[in-house]
Order: sequence, then C-alpha cells, then structure tokens
Amino acid sequence: AQSVTQPDIHITVSEGASLELRCNYSYGATPYLFWYVQSPGQGLQLLLKYFSGDTLVQGIKGFEAEFKRSQSSFNLRKPSVHWSDAAEYFCAVGAGQGAQKLVFGQGTRLTINP
Amino acid sequence: GAVVSQHPSRVICKSGTSVKIECRSLDFQATTMFWYRQFPKKSLMLMATSNEGSKATYEQGVEKDKFLINHASLTLSTLTVTSAHPEDSSFYICSAMLTSGSETQYFGPGTRLLVL
Repeated sequence: AQSVTQPDIHITVSEGASLELRCNYSYGATPYLFWYVQSPGQGLQLLLKYFSGDTLVQGIKGFEAEFKRSQSSFNLRKPSVHWSDAAEYFCAVGAGQGAQKLVFGQGTRLTINP
Repeated sequence: GAVVSQHPSRVICKSGTSVKIECRSLDFQATTMFWYRQFPKKSLMLMATSNEGSKATYEQGVEKDKFLINHASLTLSTLTVTSAHPEDSSFYICSAMLTSGSETQYFGPGTRLLVL
C-alpha cells in the first residue's frame, strides 16, 4: 500500500534562511506527488506537483521540490523563507486512476523565527 | 479560481443529534468531491469519494451509515454525521476536482465539529 513519511514533525528556521522539508513515499508505480500548505482558517493550498518529466518542479511562493526516484523522496525547498511561510506542510502521493486518492504524510509544522 | 467553500466553519452539537456539512465549488463544476477527516496534529485521512449523481465510495473502516454523503449537483456535496458521538469530534475537510482525472484537488477551509 502506498504511504508517505514526513520525518520532521516540527521545524524552526530563521527568517531569510533556507528551508528543506523532507518527504519519502512508498508506491509501486510512478507516483503523482504533491506538496500542500495549510494555514489556520484556510484550506490546503497546492504548492506544487510532480507527475512526470523534469524532476525539479517549481511551485508557487518560491518553493521547489525535487523528485528522486532512487531515494523515493520528494523534498520541498525554499532558498529564503519569509515569516508568512509559517504553516503546516503536507506531502501527498496520488494513487489510483487519475491520482484521485491522496495519501498524506503526517505533516511538518514550520515555525519562523524573526 | 478553483475556490471551494465549506459551511459551517464550526459546529457544536449534542450527542445523538445529526449534523450536516456542506461543500461547494464556487467557480467550477466538480464531478468528483472528496471528504477527509483530520485528527489533531495528525494527517488527513480520506473518508470517501463522491461522484455527482452516484453513490459515494467509502474507504475501509469508514461507516457509510454514520457518515452520509450526498453529491446531488456538480457544485455541492454534503456530509451528514448521523447520531453523532464525542468520538466523531474532528476537523472535516472536503476537496473537489475540476474534472475527473485532472489529478489536482482543491480544498475547502474545513469544518470543526465538536460533539458534547
């Protein structure tokens, strides 16, 4: 069965510092991979997704992620974080026809120090 | 574009009563909608997949008689928690796909349910 692991429950970085959030997946076929961000009072917002092609994916808000099949990873990165990036981040793998079934990781809570 | 709303945002009810949560796609038609449950400090768990005009498909372990899902139109799906108990207290989130197989889900802001 497919699964997603986000090893870091909580990460704190200083504003302006670089960020990397880890995500490992388990899926038998070529995965559809997603990163979502959840802010209080708001729905999950899609940051980026990978279906095929270039393994380095650019998303919104300056985020990028790199798909590494050999490591079963899809880590999210940002070169310089802003205080507004503080939120909960979820990695997900899409399974089934059209990647309709999303299996989410446990989430990583990001705190930004001023 | 691709905005999904949920109503209510918060609801408190007494044990034994039923609660209905609405999920609407505001600016697009959604043939497929999904209902998730999120426990505190935990991940989202898919409860069911709802297709317009047909019965919902429930995930293993989800009681279909307790969590009634109706997807009567291309812009509205409802989740009714029947005979609610305190253990049903949770954060319920819906999502919608633009078209079946488009691979991207757009999420509502969620509904916080507290059963006393």
